[in-house]
Amino acid sequence: QQQVKQSPQSLIVQKGGISIINCAYENTAFDYFPWYQQFPGKGPALLIAIRPDVSEKKEGRFTISFNKSAKQFSLHIMDSQPGDSATYFCAASASSGTYKYIFGTGTRLKVLA
Amino acid sequence: GAVVSQHPSWVICKSGTSVKIECRSLDFQATTMFWYRQFPKQSLMLMATSNEGSKATYEQGVEKDKFLINHASLTLSTLTVTSAHPEDSSFYICSARDFGGVGNEQFFGPGTRLTVL
Repeated sequence: QQQVKQSPQSLIVQKGGISIINCAYENTAFDYFPWYQQFPGKGPALLIAIRPDVSEKKEGRFTISFNKSAKQFSLHIMDSQPGDSATYFCAASASSGTYKYIFGTGTRLKVLA
Repeated sequence: GAVVSQHPSWVICKSGTSVKIECRSLDFQATTMFWYRQFPKQSLMLMATSNEGSKATYEQGVEKDKFLINHASLTLSTLTVTSAHPEDSSFYICSARDFGGVGNEQFFGPGTRLTVL
C-alpha cells in the first residue's frame, strides 16, 4: 500500500513533442505529490507538485494532472527539449506522520534533437 | 533559498573503514532530514528519517549499527557508514524539510558518491 507505481520505465520523444509520465498510488493518506528531475550524478530537483484538492497544475511547460478517484497522477512536458533529457521521479507523501516521500521507480526520458 | 549541501561530493575508501557524510541546510532550519541511497539506474530508497536532537528512525531492512545518523543541530545531519564494504558503494542523498515550512516539500542535496574498494 506504500508503493507508487510509475510508467513508462523509459521514453523517447522527438523535440517539440509531449512527454507523458504516469504514476499510481494506493494509500489514500497521501496528500502531496511532487515530481522531481534528476540528471546523472546530481541530486533530484523539484519540478512541480500538487495536492489532491486540484485536478491540474501548470508551471511553464510542465503540467500535473491528478485523478483522485483513480488514485493516479501524471506529468506532461509540453514542447519537450533535448535539455529535458533526464530521469523523472514521481513521489507521494502524507502530511500525517513524518512527511516522508515514497518515490516511484523513475522514467528515463530522452528527447531527440 | 532552500539550499542543501553535502560534503564530500565523492569519496573513495578501503573496505573496513568508516566514512562520514555531512548534510547541511544552508539558509533554513531543518526540522527533519532524510537520508536516501540510490543505486545506478534505480530509484531513491529512503534509509532513515532524523529529527534534531532525537534518534533516527530507520526504514525496514536498514542496519542501524552500520549506518549511524546524527542530527545534532537544525542545520546539520551526518551519516556515518561504519566498516564499509564494496556493497555499500552507492550514491547517498540527503534532504531536509524546512522548520518554518507548512508543506511536505523536501529540499535535496547534490548527493555523495561513495566507492568502497
